[in-house]
This record gives sequence, structure tokens and C-alpha cells, in this order.
Amino acid sequence: SAVISQKPSRDICQRGTSLTIQCQVDSQVTMMFWYRQQPGQSLTLIATANQGSEATYESGFVIDKFPISRPNLTFSTLTVSNMSPEDSSIYLCSGGGGTGELFFGEGSRLTVL
Amino acid sequence: AQTVTQSQPEMSVQEAETVTLSCTYDTSESDYYLFWYKQPPSRQMILVIRQEAYKQQNATENRFSVNFQKAAKSFSLKISDSQLGDAAMYFCAYRSAGTGAQKLVFGQGTRLTINP
Repeated sequence: SAVISQKPSRDICQRGTSLTIQCQVDSQVTMMFWYRQQPGQSLTLIATANQGSEATYESGFVIDKFPISRPNLTFSTLTVSNMSPEDSSIYLCSGGGGTGELFFGEGSRLTVL
Repeated sequence: AQTVTQSQPEMSVQEAETVTLSCTYDTSESDYYLFWYKQPPSRQMILVIRQEAYKQQNATENRFSVNFQKAAKSFSLKISDSQLGDAAMYFCAYRSAGTGAQKLVFGQGTRLTINP
């Protein structure tokens, strides 16, 4: 198993600003993903964080809005850019191997005013 | 693309009773994984149980067991002897066993309430 830590746990931000969420895994993982969970909803994949290369984004998500970095096998960041109230969500980092389950961080609750 | 459907937005059960949460999925693949995750108010996604599609035997983890019907593409979760700490959102999830970065696809979730 892997233990995943996210920072910040929660934040309140002003419209038009950007916030970077950090994800740290306690062991090397092959795969890392970023999910969004809007209030009362299920989890939607934003992108796959690829080590040393550009992330792979799902339909409806773009790099300019959600730039992602993954410099090594244990760390990734997600930036939510030019935020609007519609970006208020929980953002979850997950990681794991090529097969089997994924492990999740505790999520970062973002509120945009 | 694979889809996962949970048709029960909410369920409730008396403490110590048994409850079953339903999940169906759609895929053309033959090799995959299925999971149930629990999300309490703390937001942490906690793995409850996993099932490999190639295994005919249903997975069990203590009070949690699944009924995996591959032909019917059904994957229900049974919780026996329900406890107050079982109250949470439960998500059914699918993951392909193919090569490459295989993401989890989630159902809509079922909110489980435990009545004391």
C-alpha cells in the first residue's frame, strides 16, 4: 500500500487567483492521477500525471486551467488557475501500480469566493 | 468507454443488520478490476474490497463481501452486522487491467446511513 499526503487540506481563495495543491507519496508509484469531486458528486478524473512529461488530460479539462507537474515517482502538483466559484470542489490525488487498487490522499477542499 | 452505475443514491439500515449496495458496469473488456471504496465525512477514500474479474470466487473482507456476476456485469457489496462507523458514501469503481495508465472509473455513489 501507499500513504498519500496532500497540502493544503483546505483553502478559501479569491476569484481570479491560482492555487497549487501538492501530493506526496511515501513510496514510488507507477501511476498518479488527479480527480475532482464537486459537492455531492462522484469523482471525475482530471488528468494522469506523467513523470517527466506533460500530463494526459481528460475531455473537458485543459492544461492552461489545470497545469500538472510530476518531477519524480513520489510527488506531483496540481494548479487550479484563474479560479471561479465553479472550481469550488474537493481535489484528490491518487496513486498506485499498474494493476490493482489506487490509493488516495485525504483531498484538498477548495472554496472560491 | 466503461461506465459504472449505482442505482441507489441512499440506503439506510439498522445497526447490526445486513445491507446490500448495488453496482452494475458496462465494458467490452474481459480482464479488469472492481472495487468498493468508502468515503466518510473526512473525505478520505478508503478501499473496502477488490475483485479481480478473472477470479470466480467472490471476495470477502471481514464483514464485507461481494456478489460478482461477470456475465450480468453486476458487483454488489454486502455489509453484515452493520456498525455506526460504516456510515459513509460508498463508491463502486472499475479499472481496466490493460497496459498503460489505467484510471479508476467511479459510479455515482450510495450514501449509507446506519440507524442506531
